[in-house]
Amino acid sequence: EAQVTQNPRYLITVTGKKLTVTCSQNMNHEYMSWYRQDPGLGLRQIYYSMNVEVTDKGDVPEGYKVSRKEKRNFPLILESPSPNQTSLYFCASSLWGGGTSKWNEQFFGPGTRLTVL
Amino acid sequence: GDSVTQMEGPVTLSEEAFLTINCTYTATGYPSLFWYVQYPGEGLQLLLKATKADDKGSNKGFEATYRKETTSFHLEKGSVQVSDSAVYFCALPSGSGGYNKLIFGAGTRLAVHP
Repeated sequence: EAQVTQNPRYLITVTGKKLTVTCSQNMNHEYMSWYRQDPGLGLRQIYYSMNVEVTDKGDVPEGYKVSRKEKRNFPLILESPSPNQTSLYFCASSLWGGGTSKWNEQFFGPGTRLTVL
Repeated sequence: GDSVTQMEGPVTLSEEAFLTINCTYTATGYPSLFWYVQYPGEGLQLLLKATKADDKGSNKGFEATYRKETTSFHLEKGSVQVSDSAVYFCALPSGSGGYNKLIFGAGTRLAVHP
């Protein structure tokens, strides 16, 4: 089954304790992205990756890191989490059409609900 | 910059009622437009899309028409069901030098009662 998986689905942690949220897709997609969802704000992009070893900042990258060492995996790292990073996080992937004329459907993972105390 | 504005919710309807969720956008060029749906406890799923002006996207009884003149992409359904209760997001691709992200509206929660 084609899917995007995230782990963990729920996480409660304390300020300053490093954590990693994993994301994996089995569709051989070039493009992967992380979003956070907050009430009244919709989804905002944190980081994205157009292919292995190619990552770039989205709209709200502060406090986050990512890596793309393999095509299928795109982990999100919070080196020193703070309460303002309490949110619902989604990973997404798609084929990359490139340029300005094409955007492929994004497939979303089930979400990770993070609470930082 | 590019943006999406959706009507605020929640929208509460009785089963078989007519649904409209308004979406307007600001964009450079003429990007594709999307509606995503998020059922309780799940990730987002693509509901429908339209790739150019005057296109109508449709799926599961939902429809939306890409209106360039009014920069709108309103979501409609003639007869809602309890199972349609979810959060609906309007979205468009954006980015400098090429599309690299989706910009989402704030989301509209729909609650349908029997």
